[in-house]
Amino acid sequence: EADIYQTPRYLVIGTGKKITLECSQTMGHDKMYWYQQDPGMELHLIHYSYGVNSTEKGDLSSESTVSRIRTEHFPLTLESARPSHTSQYLCASRQTGNNQPQHFGDGTRLSIL
Amino acid sequence: SQQGEEDPQALSIQEGENATMNCSYKTSINNLQWYRQNSGRGLVHLILIRSNEREKHSGRLRVTLDTSKKSSSLLITASRAADTASYFCATDAGDDKIIFGKGTRLHILP
Repeated sequence: EADIYQTPRYLVIGTGKKITLECSQTMGHDKMYWYQQDPGMELHLIHYSYGVNSTEKGDLSSESTVSRIRTEHFPLTLESARPSHTSQYLCASRQTGNNQPQHFGDGTRLSIL
Repeated sequence: SQQGEEDPQALSIQEGENATMNCSYKTSINNLQWYRQNSGRGLVHLILIRSNEREKHSGRLRVTLDTSKKSSSLLITASRAADTASYFCATDAGDDKIIFGKGTRLHILP
């Protein structure tokens, strides 16, 4: 079974605050991903990483930033939260190599007031 | 832009019936994957079919892939209440991005 953890599960916070969403995996996967998903809608790739010190922007423009200092950790940061950032954020990882599926965390549901 | 498009967007069937969902995509792929998402949870990988495969089975799941039509289908046989979820197809073009479709919301009626 996949071991990928996201914290917090829910966050309600005021506009202008700095937020960091945590994602950790214990499978030693090099590749990690962040998706944004509004309830019942499609997933949009916002960031991904090939490995330590590698970060790339996804297809959906995002005001968030990510870092990858350790293999197991891929945090996402919003410097100044706005109501438009309200959404669910899903983290995933996968093993290097062809034909490897993604393993997802349970997500962080973020509400900006 | 999204690669996969599922059809239908929503599906309600009686328990015990079969459920079929379709996915169309636009570009060449290495593989196509199907995922399930229960309400408020992350996605769970169900099955992966490679571009050189035409059909794959896993338990009550059957996936087909037609690369000439750029389409795939997911069949769930003998549906159960626990199958109620959203189902997403995702395409892997070998560029390290897995692109998801909009999903089919499946509701199994008792």
